[in-house]
Amino acid sequence: KNEVEQSPQNLTAQEGEFITINCSYSVGISALHWLQQHPGGGIVSLFMLSSGKKKHGRLIATINIQEKHSSLHITASHPRDSAVYICAVTFQGAQKLVFGQGTRLTINP
Amino acid sequence: GAVVSQHPSRVICKSGTSVKIECRSLDFQATTMFWYRQFPKQSLMLMATSNEGSKATYEQGVEKDKFLINHASLTLSTLTVTSAHPEDSSFYICSARAGGFAKNIQYFGAGTRLSVL
Repeated sequence: KNEVEQSPQNLTAQEGEFITINCSYSVGISALHWLQQHPGGGIVSLFMLSSGKKKHGRLIATINIQEKHSSLHITASHPRDSAVYICAVTFQGAQKLVFGQGTRLTINP
Repeated sequence: GAVVSQHPSRVICKSGTSVKIECRSLDFQATTMFWYRQFPKQSLMLMATSNEGSKATYEQGVEKDKFLINHASLTLSTLTVTSAHPEDSSFYICSARAGGFAKNIQYFGAGTRLSVL
């Protein structure tokens, strides 16, 4: 079965802390996405990965294809980073995204 | 980066009316568009996949006569919720995907919050 598991489900941290959100998937993929959803609902695509590591500002995403695992890191976290972060994958041979259950991140000032 | 525009962002309607939601790719041709629904504190659920010029493929449990999808051009797909009822109140999100080398990248609209009274 094609599954995506995220952890933790909820994460609360203080401003400035280093944040890690994890995503594991069950079988081979063609692409993995990290998405951000703010309370208003709109979704922003942060990264699309098929291998290696990507960095954008304070955000870093890594993927280990052999271990079927990806991490999203936020350095020097800020209250405006508070959102739900969603891992989504496209499994090989498929065209639709399969979503993790999301991680609700709260950064307190 | 690529932009997907979704309209309206919020709609409140009476039970029994129909509501149309538009999803436009503004600077690329979207060979495939996806429609999702999201209930509070839940993950996105794929409703249907539409390819330009062909009938949409609906996920199991989604009524195709209730949720009409039209993908008449490479930049526009519409979702019409027919005879809406309070249980259809939800957050609806579209995404669009180009073909070719960008086929693994999906760009999301900002979503439409539907409230049926």
